[in-house]
Amino acid sequence: QSALTQPASVSGSPGQSITISCTGTRSDVGGYNYVSWYQQHPGKAPKLMIFHVSNRPSGVSNRFSGSKSDNTASLTISGLQAGDEADYYCSSFTTSSTRVFGTGTKVTVL
Amino acid sequence: QVQLVESGGGVVQPGRSPRLSCAASGFTFSSYAIHWVRQAPGKGLEWVAIISYDGNNKYYADSVQGRFNISRDNSKNTVYLQMNGLRADDTAVYYCARDRATGTHFLLFGMDVWGQGTTVTVSS
Repeated sequence: QSALTQPASVSGSPGQSITISCTGTRSDVGGYNYVSWYQQHPGKAPKLMIFHVSNRPSGVSNRFSGSKSDNTASLTISGLQAGDEADYYCSSFTTSSTRVFGTGTKVTVL
Repeated sequence: QVQLVESGGGVVQPGRSPRLSCAASGFTFSSYAIHWVRQAPGKGLEWVAIISYDGNNKYYADSVQGRFNISRDNSKNTVYLQMNGLRADDTAVYYCARDRATGTHFLLFGMDVWGQGTTVTVSS
């Protein structure tokens, strides 16, 4: 159950789009369309942003979108805003009937 | 409102066996699986365990398999995490989180409701 690989940091200017990658294996990301994404502000609990690769829960802005190709999932934030500055984590279902999280990505709004 | 509240954290000596609790309110507790997720200081999220809506299915991360035990009491709307043989690397904020799916499709939809977390510090 090795953690999924994410870039440590991604940055962008307000209004720009950024993409965060999440790389796993055929035993997790590549084997299932059960990838979810979470946003975590400092000192706060995580918030579900995307489930099933590309689905947004009610109340999540459509500026957040997800996709997947082979063993890599991606989260794109368009129209970057100051409030998007946070840590982001991907998570996948695994063949062991467990979940695994990514290493986390710190998003900075310049 | 829909809410999860963790309790039971604190400073614990290595080798001790505390039990965390996660009390739910505002939704039909017996329809949802519940996860435990932890976060060591300054580190990322680590999935720990899940228990199905009816308590019949439990799954654990390799790092806690054989040491931790998850259980639930649907009459009390509460999930428990019994932690045995604690080590320094178990030091973390422990969150409980609701699985987004009801019934048998747990583990697939992600975690849509989170508690505020309870801190466990393992230190002599």
